[in-house]
Amino acid sequence: DAGVIQSPRHEVTEMGQEVTLRCKPISGHDYLFWYRQTMMRGLELLIYFNNNVPIDDSGMPEDRFSAKMPNASFSTLKIQPSEPRDSAVYFCASSLQTGGVEQPQHFGDGTRLSIL
Amino acid sequence: AQKITQTQPGMFVQEKEAVTLDCTYDTSDQSYGLFWYKQPSSGEMIFLIYQGSYDEQNATEGRYSLNFQKARKSANLVISASQLGDSAMYFCAMRTPNTGNQFYFGTGTSLTVIP
Repeated sequence: DAGVIQSPRHEVTEMGQEVTLRCKPISGHDYLFWYRQTMMRGLELLIYFNNNVPIDDSGMPEDRFSAKMPNASFSTLKIQPSEPRDSAVYFCASSLQTGGVEQPQHFGDGTRLSIL
Repeated sequence: AQKITQTQPGMFVQEKEAVTLDCTYDTSDQSYGLFWYKQPSSGEMIFLIYQGSYDEQNATEGRYSLNFQKARKSANLVISASQLGDSAMYFCAMRTPNTGNQFYFGTGTSLTVIP
């Protein structure tokens, strides 16, 4: 079974550039989560969707960050303009709704983002 | 408020010994799920084990077991017969339906297995 697929795996870009991270959740999963992980702040929830609808985006750092889920099989996280402090590993995860709390999240391999 | 606390930033264990990683949680919900994830140095997050709030028996998955003490609100992970490949970060997480089914993660415990 295909897991959560994230692209790119690594991204190095210069400050001020637009960055787009992509995620394909596991087929049939109802929930999609975007996280950011840094040494200083640990694992932070940025935003999550249920049935393609954003439910909670209170973790999005600022207006430079935006996320979309145009359909059940694709989501993007954009940073524009990017800044060095955005350097982190960004994870996408998906989960089923059926069965409720017993359903785990399944994570992609992450995108390691470096802003120079 | 929902909260997960992992008080051990780092742990060491001798190979082949058992180790317990602590996790306490705070929620007023009656229904919730507790999860443990492993993050090796390669970076991926691997789901290990699940415990439901209504489960009367402790969950087990191979060498992993969860010591669930509901009254104390603790869900400690026990790894038996530690192997070098168990060296990783371990995260405890909770899922609650009354907060939109989102997950709450602890800060993690770094486990090092010594040969």
